[in-house]
Amino acid sequence: GAVVSQHPSRVICKSGTSVKIECRSLDFQATTMFWYRQFPKQSLMLMATSNEGSKATYEQGVEKDKFLINHASLTLSTLTVTSAHPEDSSFYICSAASGTNSYEQYFGPGTRLTVT
Amino acid sequence: GQNIDQPTEMTATEGAIVQINCTYQTSGFNGLFWYQQHAGEAPTFLSYNVLDGLEEKGRFSSFLSRSKGYSYLLLKELQMKDSASYLCAVMDSNYQLIWGAGTKLIIKP
Repeated sequence: GAVVSQHPSRVICKSGTSVKIECRSLDFQATTMFWYRQFPKQSLMLMATSNEGSKATYEQGVEKDKFLINHASLTLSTLTVTSAHPEDSSFYICSAASGTNSYEQYFGPGTRLTVT
Repeated sequence: GQNIDQPTEMTATEGAIVQINCTYQTSGFNGLFWYQQHAGEAPTFLSYNVLDGLEEKGRFSSFLSRSKGYSYLLLKELQMKDSASYLCAVMDSNYQLIWGAGTKLIIKP
């Protein structure tokens, strides 16, 4: 089956610093990657959709200058949380799709971000 | 607006059967998904329904009625490892997944 990896799995950073999270599709080419955020006991919230080689599409309420997304290749997308604050502490999950729609989404294992 | 409703929490006994319901109101419909999510982990795919009826896959079955905007996930022969959250998600007309808040399933011995 399709495998998606995320790195790091856990990260603790100080307020004001930036953190980069990598999402890789290991055995398929991901034309589309999705970034989600999940707060405790809540459902997944889509942050943005990125297509390889083009700018990401951000959901309403998500600051594109704060959450920088790069999808430079068909196997790698990165999410950078800039000037992180404690309220950015969350579980960040990426998923990847090989088709033109998001039907076949394969999820990464997630990254737990804690901002102190 | 778009809305997915499922119970917040359910409790069942090991070896028994449990049914988790999901009702939805979305702009368009391109299929309904069920995912299992253990605490601190990403969701894992369980099932996909786009036509009315029952899809069976081992101990898990998923049912869909598009006219009623309703689905359920049926888990048989419950095992302790089935304790998890179960997320219902609907793909809308823009092929975006709309997620329910999840149902936390607690299995007791």
